[in-house]
Amino acid sequence: NAGVMQNPRHLVRRRGQEARLRCSPVKGHSHVYWYRQLPEEGLKFMVYLQKENIIDESGMPKERFSAEFPKEGPSILRIQQVVRGDSAAYFCASSPFRGQNTGELFFGEGSRLTVL
Amino acid sequence: DAKTTQPPSMDCAEGRAANLPCNHSTISGNEYVYWYRQIHSQGPQYIIHGLKNNETNEMASLIITEDRKSSTLILPHATLRDTAVYYCIVRGKNSGNTPLVFGKGTRLSVIA
Repeated sequence: NAGVMQNPRHLVRRRGQEARLRCSPVKGHSHVYWYRQLPEEGLKFMVYLQKENIIDESGMPKERFSAEFPKEGPSILRIQQVVRGDSAAYFCASSPFRGQNTGELFFGEGSRLTVL
Repeated sequence: DAKTTQPPSMDCAEGRAANLPCNHSTISGNEYVYWYRQIHSQGPQYIIHGLKNNETNEMASLIITEDRKSSTLILPHATLRDTAVYYCIVRGKNSGNTPLVFGKGTRLSVIA
């Protein structure tokens, strides 16, 4: 009965490189959310996806950031040409489809990106 | 979703009850109150939610005032492991799968 799995747990990149963060939701969950937490700050919503669809990306930076949740496989948060300000913890959460939804989100343990 | 107001920080002695208040004076009739917590460096953890009746589970109790304008999360016997940031979130019943919006929360320090 695995929960939300995120990997890598820690990632170090140099400025200008690409970062790819992966999230496998709870088995049977069809909704994935990505949040970012900068050091000493709160959780900020980035993007909400269902299988093969982006539902709400109102929190995503306009450039360099993209997310996908393919039919098969994990959700991917991709950050191109990383800068030092991208250093943060990135949390993924999942929930079941609407009919089963109690409003509870299940969070992973996060991926910590450090940009040198 | 209605806005919530929480004290920025609180202390509690180990073994005592921790009572965390939340003000949500603009809550509407179909909005639930959710509580999550985030222990340092970990992912947020769901604690409890309620609409208008008091709720209890293995982690905590949620007391919602009759007018629903405020609520209190109660950890009956706080331990050092309960030290965390606690978030009170109001969310519509018909919000479906819309994202939760986290505020600044209350930083609870449980002291030995």
